[in-house]
Amino acid sequence: DAKTTQPPSMDCAEGRAANLPCNHSTISGNEYVYWYRQIHSQGPQYIIHGLKNNETNEMASLIITEDRKSSTLILPHATLRDTAVYYCIVRVHHTNAGKSTFGDGTTLTVKP
Amino acid sequence: EPEVTQTPSHQVTQMGQEVILRCVPISNHLYFYWYRQILGQKVEFLVSFYNNEISEKSEIFDDQFSVERPDGSNFTLKIRSTKLEDSAMYFCASTTRGQGYSEQYFGPGTRLTVT
Repeated sequence: DAKTTQPPSMDCAEGRAANLPCNHSTISGNEYVYWYRQIHSQGPQYIIHGLKNNETNEMASLIITEDRKSSTLILPHATLRDTAVYYCIVRVHHTNAGKSTFGDGTTLTVKP
Repeated sequence: EPEVTQTPSHQVTQMGQEVILRCVPISNHLYFYWYRQILGQKVEFLVSFYNNEISEKSEIFDDQFSVERPDGSNFTLKIRSTKLEDSAMYFCASTTRGQGYSEQYFGPGTRLTVT
């Protein structure tokens, strides 16, 4: 699975959009971009994933660049409860559902 | 909304003792995982399990560890003789079998403290 690079920390004002970047310059054509988050030692929580098209769900939007070497997770209206560590994971879809490899992630702090 | 549950939430044990951590995955899921997270460190993969056998395991998952699905609902992680360095949060996860779709749902974790 391709390696990812994320900033160690970011701040965001409550109510504003949080834009979390991820670099995955060695991504290959069959690898997907997944985002998870972990709120204070709770179990990781799936947020969103994509291959090459931008994706949106009730939690967030995922913007993937045309060359697929980087992506941005957007939380449109951050709340204090969005304070968490956000992990960008790149991996191949497995028919037998392989493991997720977590890095250090980005610690997002949403401030009032 | 269905969720993965884990028991106990906190387990304290003495070095050398056996512990069993329990998980109830989401009912229609077929793939099961254990991860651990030592305090302040990354979430690390331990083992994946499908069709009553281990699919993949990491270097951490040595002979002291074993997994089992004793019935149709529970998924357990056993540590045969605990060491101080086994102290960590242990997370169970499960996923359904879509056509390659592998979003994982994690439980709340069991905090294992080995004294």
